[in-house]
Amino acid sequence: KAGVTQTPRYLIKTRGQQVTLSCSPISGHRSVSWYQQTPGQGLQFLFEYFSETQRNKGNFPGRFSGRQFSNSRSEMNVSTLELGDSALYLCASRAFPGVAGSTDTQYFGPGTRLTVL
Amino acid sequence: AQSVTQLGSHVSVSEGALVLLRCNYSSSVPPYLFWYVQYPNQGLQLLLKYTSAATLVKGINGFEAEFKKSETSFHLTKPSAHMSDAAEYFCAVSDPGNQGGKLIFGQGTELSVKP
Repeated sequence: KAGVTQTPRYLIKTRGQQVTLSCSPISGHRSVSWYQQTPGQGLQFLFEYFSETQRNKGNFPGRFSGRQFSNSRSEMNVSTLELGDSALYLCASRAFPGVAGSTDTQYFGPGTRLTVL
Repeated sequence: AQSVTQLGSHVSVSEGALVLLRCNYSSSVPPYLFWYVQYPNQGLQLLLKYTSAATLVKGINGFEAEFKKSETSFHLTKPSAHMSDAAEYFCAVSDPGNQGGKLIFGQGTELSVKP
């Protein structure tokens, strides 16, 4: 079974621009979570989507948003980029509790490395 | 609020030596606990998880961890280090009441293995 895929793998933007990152979950997984990883702050939870609805949200400004499509693929958008948004953005998928064979384990993709100049 | 503390941002061991990476958590309810490993320029790979079954959990690549409620700890061990174990290791906790969608991570421990 294919793992979590994220596109693009690398991205360079300038301050003030916006960016959209994409995540395709493991086949059959219905929940997608997003995390930001930086050397200073470590791994921080951004949000989780299930059934096209945001279920959990971390402490990030409204410039960070996301959505999920009916096929469970998810996108994350950051508007008005700042230098501090430079990070590795990781997506993780999991089967949702209540579904046969589901688990609480999140499986991570390789990440998108965003550099803001 | 839940939190995770990993003692030691960098651990160095010799090949063949015991690996011990420390993780302490704070949680108001018995949590789910995870160890992930990250190799350079890659995402996170699950090593093992604790979900209130056996307190001694065995994972991949010879790693294991023991859940100790009295010490609020979930330390990761491996009897004999290999060069290929060099990576960054993250301990994480989730709240079963939150249905596991949000992981809280420790700051990570970088493991170096000397030949």
